[in-house]
Formats: sequence, structure tokens, C-alpha cells
Amino acid sequence: QVQLVQSGAEVKKPGASVKVSCKASGYTFTSYDINWVRQATGQGLEWMGWMNPNSGNTGYAQKFQGRVTMTRNTSISTAYMELSSLRSEDTAVYYCAVAVVVAALRANWFDPWGQGTLVTVSS
Amino acid sequence: DIQMTQSPSSLSASVGDRVTITCRASQSISSYLNWYQQKPGKAPKLLIYAASSLQSGVPSRFSGSGSGTDFTLTISSLQPEDFATYYCQQSYSTPFGFGPGTKVDIK
Repeated sequence: QVQLVQSGAEVKKPGASVKVSCKASGYTFTSYDINWVRQATGQGLEWMGWMNPNSGNTGYAQKFQGRVTMTRNTSISTAYMELSSLRSEDTAVYYCAVAVVVAALRANWFDPWGQGTLVTVSS
Repeated sequence: DIQMTQSPSSLSASVGDRVTITCRASQSISSYLNWYQQKPGKAPKLLIYAASSLQSGVPSRFSGSGSGTDFTLTISSLQPEDFATYYCQQSYSTPFGFGPGTKVDIK
């Protein structure tokens, strides 16, 4: 079955960087974009950006421009999200998700999602 | 950027109740609207895509409707496993924003 498995929880100090991995299985990794979404404790879902695993092309939310980098290693079907200059407000669970696009339905959606990676930023 | 709003922000309901959640976009998004269910400590789960298409494996008591700017998620007969938070998401253009969520809890 299609599955995304993310790396484990991280604790970082303010100013540091974190790199979260997302390993895909059960489908052709290069066929679908990977999106990243984060969720602070008790808060809603915040879209961060997308990456095309085939081309490596990316698109980031304005809020994260200059601080986020999304990359991939196609040989191991793994996507990465690196966030730099961490601050306490970046403490959140970070999710990767497969973006399915069906042009004939004029639709695209996220499914499945990874299990989430908790990143804690604390001095 | 397209802004998404949801109402209500929370509701209390009983098993067997019919529940309706509304989502509104700040501009027309055609049918590029998805609904997700999230339970505590879990990743969001896709329920409805393209405004009204039921994701495979999702119970038929869930349904979606709407187009343009106004959308609705309906649970025809609330079950114990449906107590969760529900998010709408626009996938018309980036940034693919989410609504603030609607928490459904037990009355």
C-alpha cells in the first residue's frame, strides 16, 4: 500500500536547522508531488510548500521563503524538508503528504499523509 | 492568497445526529475543495475530494457539496468514531490553505 514514513522527533535550539525525512513506498516516487504541512500544538494545519520529486522543482509559502528547502533523493524514494533559523514558534508536528492530481476531475488532494514528526525548538 | 473560513468552530452532538459543517473561500475555487478528518495525535485523513467525491473506504454517511465559494460537509448519522476535528482545504491555487477546523465532540 502507498505509505509515507517520516523520521523521528527532534529537539533543536533556537537558530539551528532541522531536516525531516519522508520515505515513500508502494508507488512510483517520482509520479506525485510531495507537500509539507505543519501543525503547532492545539492549532490548525499550515501548508508550507511542495516539491516535484521528478524535476526537483519546488514552491514555498511566502511565510517560509528563505528559511525552508525541500529536496529529494530519488534512489531511496525519500523527500526532505529542511527549516533553518528555528525559533520557538516553529515548534510543531511536520507532515509530508502525497499530492494526487486528476485533471479530468479538476481536482487535487493530499493522500496519504506521513505519521508526522514533532520538532521542538527550545533553549 | 485565498482565505478559508469554517463554521462553526466547534459543535457538540449526539450519536445519530445529522451534522453539517460549512466552509467558505474568499474567492471562487470551482470544486477544488477537500475535507479531512483529524483525530488527536494522528495525521489528517482524506474524506472528500473535489467538493463532493467520497474517498475510497470512507463511510457513505459522509457527503460533501458546493462549488464556487460555499461548501458543506454533512455527516448523516454521527457515529462514535466520528468525533474529531474536520478541516476544509482549497487546492485551486498555492498556497493550498486550510480552514481553521471544526471540532465535533460528544454532547
